[in-house]
Amino acid sequence: QVQLVQSGAEVKKPGASMRVSCEASGYTFTNYGIHWVRQDPGQRLEWMGWINAGNGDTEYSQKFQGRVTITRDPSASTAYMELRSLRSEDTAVYYCAKTISVVTGHYSYMDVWGTGTRVTVS
Amino acid sequence: EIVLTQSPGTLSLSPGERATLSCRASQSVDNSYLAWYQQQPGQAPRLLIYGASSRATGIPDRFSGSGSGTDFALTISRLEPEDFAMYYCHHYGTSPALTFGGGTKVEIK
Repeated sequence: QVQLVQSGAEVKKPGASMRVSCEASGYTFTNYGIHWVRQDPGQRLEWMGWINAGNGDTEYSQKFQGRVTITRDPSASTAYMELRSLRSEDTAVYYCAKTISVVTGHYSYMDVWGTGTRVTVS
Repeated sequence: EIVLTQSPGTLSLSPGERATLSCRASQSVDNSYLAWYQQQPGQAPRLLIYGASSRATGIPDRFSGSGSGTDFALTISRLEPEDFAMYYCHHYGTSPALTFGGGTKVEIK
């Protein structure tokens, strides 16, 4: 079945960088996109960005522009999200999520979510 | 960007009762690009509804979505014990950023 398995929990110091991986299985990775969404301690969900796993095109939320980079390695069916200059407000659970196609670009809902990665900035 | 406001914040109901959750958008949602997710404690969200009213694969028919424009609803016809959870609406249409509502918690009364 379709699965997205993420890397483990991290604790970071303010000012550091983080990198979360998302390994896909059960489908053709390059035929779909991957969103990154975070959930803060207040349970609010926030979209960060998206990558077309086929050609590498990206779109980022303006809020994170310049601080986030999303990449992918098709040979490993894995997407990555790097967030730099961390601050305490970045403490959250970070999710990757699969889109239903790449035809509509990043305008796609999320049909399968990853396992989540808890990141604490302190 | 489109702001989604969910109400109520918390819905206290008993198993077997009907639940109606509201999601209001700050401007009209193109092509009904509105989805609903369910989230159990400690788990990732799960897709329930997309396109405002289409059920995702494997979702029981007691879940239904409705609405258009700026007003949308998720209805659970008869609450089962596993339905007590958080629910989020999500706009994925032609706005620069995809957005989520603040969530509605459905709790056991």
